[in-house]
Amino acid sequence: TQLLEQSPQFLSIQEGENLTVYCNSSSVFSSLQWYRQEPGEGPVLLVTVVTGGEVKKLKRLTFQFGDARKDSSLHITAAQPGDTGLYLCAGPSGNTGKLIFGQGTTLQVKP
Amino acid sequence: DTAVSQTPKYLVTQMGNDKSIKCEQNLGHDTMYWYKQDSKKFLKIMFSYNNKELIINETVPNRFSPKSPDKAHLNLHINSLELGDSAVYFCASSPGQLARGYTFGSGTRLTVV
Repeated sequence: TQLLEQSPQFLSIQEGENLTVYCNSSSVFSSLQWYRQEPGEGPVLLVTVVTGGEVKKLKRLTFQFGDARKDSSLHITAAQPGDTGLYLCAGPSGNTGKLIFGQGTTLQVKP
Repeated sequence: DTAVSQTPKYLVTQMGNDKSIKCEQNLGHDTMYWYKQDSKKFLKIMFSYNNKELIINETVPNRFSPKSPDKAHLNLHINSLELGDSAVYFCASSPGQLARGYTFGSGTRLTVV
């Protein structure tokens, strides 16, 4: 059974600080995705990483896919209150379109 | 224009009742999904349809029955609601079966009392 484990589960930081969220598995994934979910809304796709070692940047967010395609990280530089939310990593399971999700990291950025 | 829309947003009902949640997408995607998010925010797939055909049916009680009248709609009917069914249910769609990015609806918070 494929599992994705995220750490930390909760993170509360001050505006301007940097942080990293990790998504780990013992299984190899063909790709991994990151979503952000705000209260009362559905998750919104931030990025998909496909190639081992790949790094993608989205403004202050940097996403990395591990060389062995078993893990990924999300680094936020100079966090802002608008970054507050639940961050979810997800990966495909099988070839039916099914995504399995990590348990999420709740980020709170205080002004 | 809302890409994936679910109704209702909130649903409060008594144990034993039957209820339905509707979902529509205007993205032209071939595949639609129902996911359940529990109180710990864990998202788990329930069902998936590709062009009106059921392709994923996870271990879900028979009281849950999805219906897809066309590829733009996927509804979820729940019979004999139980307390443990309380959760947020998300509809999502994707452009095929290769697990590309999902577009989620804004969720239906179901509370069974």
